[in-house]
Amino acid sequence: DVKVTQSSRYLVKRTGEKVFLECVQDMDHENMFWYRQDPGLGLRLIYFSYDVKMKEKGDIPEGYSVSREKKERFSLILESASTNQTSMYLCASSFDGGSGANVLTFGAGSRLTVL
Amino acid sequence: GESVGLHLPTLSVQEGDNSIINCAYSNSASDYFIWYKQESGKGPQFIIDIRSNMDKRQGQRVTVLLNKTVKHLSLQIAATQPGDSAVYFCAENWSNTGKLIFGQGTTLQVKP
Repeated sequence: DVKVTQSSRYLVKRTGEKVFLECVQDMDHENMFWYRQDPGLGLRLIYFSYDVKMKEKGDIPEGYSVSREKKERFSLILESASTNQTSMYLCASSFDGGSGANVLTFGAGSRLTVL
Repeated sequence: GESVGLHLPTLSVQEGDNSIINCAYSNSASDYFIWYKQESGKGPQFIIDIRSNMDKRQGQRVTVLLNKTVKHLSLQIAATQPGDSAVYFCAENWSNTGKLIFGQGTTLQVKP
């Protein structure tokens, strides 16, 4: 069974802390994505990566950075957490079919609360 | 706007009835659409997809209809069951960029 694993389901951090959200996939997918999910706003794309060491900004990259040192791992970094970054964070991956978007497989999500 | 929208935030149906969840998209250049289901405490799961060269696609108890003329997408669930209770998202492949844009979601409530 294909899997996207997000290491932390629930985190509570304080304003100004550096936060790492880790995501690992075991499907040898080329593409990986980070979304945040907020009530009434759906899923919004933060960053994505088409290959190791490559990254692209999504729709709301401000306040975030990412790291993709290995194909299976995509990390989301909040350099200095703020209360407006309290949210559910979803990692996803997909196979690069070479013809546009392919089906994303999502992790279970990481709920981050910033106090 | 540049987002995929759903017409209703909440839909309540009786168990056994058919459900129809609607979605309006704004980008006529989008060529691929997906429906996801998200149960409480879980990430979204793929239900069914459709490419823009099709009008209809059927799965097991689910059908997706695409009307490119009015930029409308719908998900039909036959004989709705309690296990179908979830939030449903539509997503479009924005201008064939590989970037999926999601709608706000519709919560489906199934009454026994």
